[in-house]
Amino acid sequence: GDSVTQMEGPVTLSEEAFLTINCTYTATGYPSLFWYVQYPGEGLQLLLKATKADDKGSNKGFEATYRKETTSFHLEKGSVQVSDSAVYFCALRYSGNQFYFGTGTSLTVIP
Amino acid sequence: GAVVSQHPSRVICKSGTSVKIECRSLDFQATTMFWYRQFPKQSLMLMATSNEGSKATYEQGVEKDKFLINHASLTLSTLTVTSAHPEDSSFYICSALGTSYNEQFFGPGTRLTVL
Repeated sequence: GDSVTQMEGPVTLSEEAFLTINCTYTATGYPSLFWYVQYPGEGLQLLLKATKADDKGSNKGFEATYRKETTSFHLEKGSVQVSDSAVYFCALRYSGNQFYFGTGTSLTVIP
Repeated sequence: GAVVSQHPSRVICKSGTSVKIECRSLDFQATTMFWYRQFPKQSLMLMATSNEGSKATYEQGVEKDKFLINHASLTLSTLTVTSAHPEDSSFYICSALGTSYNEQFFGPGTRLTVL
């Protein structure tokens, strides 16, 4: 069945460090891929998405590329800030249907 | 952009009571809404899918008599936790699928604590 696997956290980085959070997926079709961010005590916010192979989603300095050959959608940011501290969820979804979420990766950025 | 609200944001109740959580799409119509549950430090688990005017479809293992879902209009869905117990304490999040957006938008979540 469809599923998403993302690297376990927690991840702790110093400010301005490079961030990579790995995400791989298993899908029977051609889903869209998403990264959501959840700040403490809040709901999920869409960070970026990609709808087909080789698409690159980007937002707020974060980016991820939909790699069909490796079934991956790794999240990267070149220089993290303290305000990036949150939990990040990788997810896949077919049009109009439910999301399949990864287990989330907690990121803490220290000054 | 499309906004989804949830009310209340936090609720504390005694064991055995029922709690209703509202999910509203504020500026768009949503034919389908989803209810998720999130345990601490874990991912979101889909509980049920509700379509306006019809019965909700529950995921395996979710008690439909305990978690009552009503989707009475294109902008409102409610989740009622009946006879709540401490193990029902969790973070409940809804999402709404817009008829014209083909995109899901998430509410901010409701923190339920059952004493």
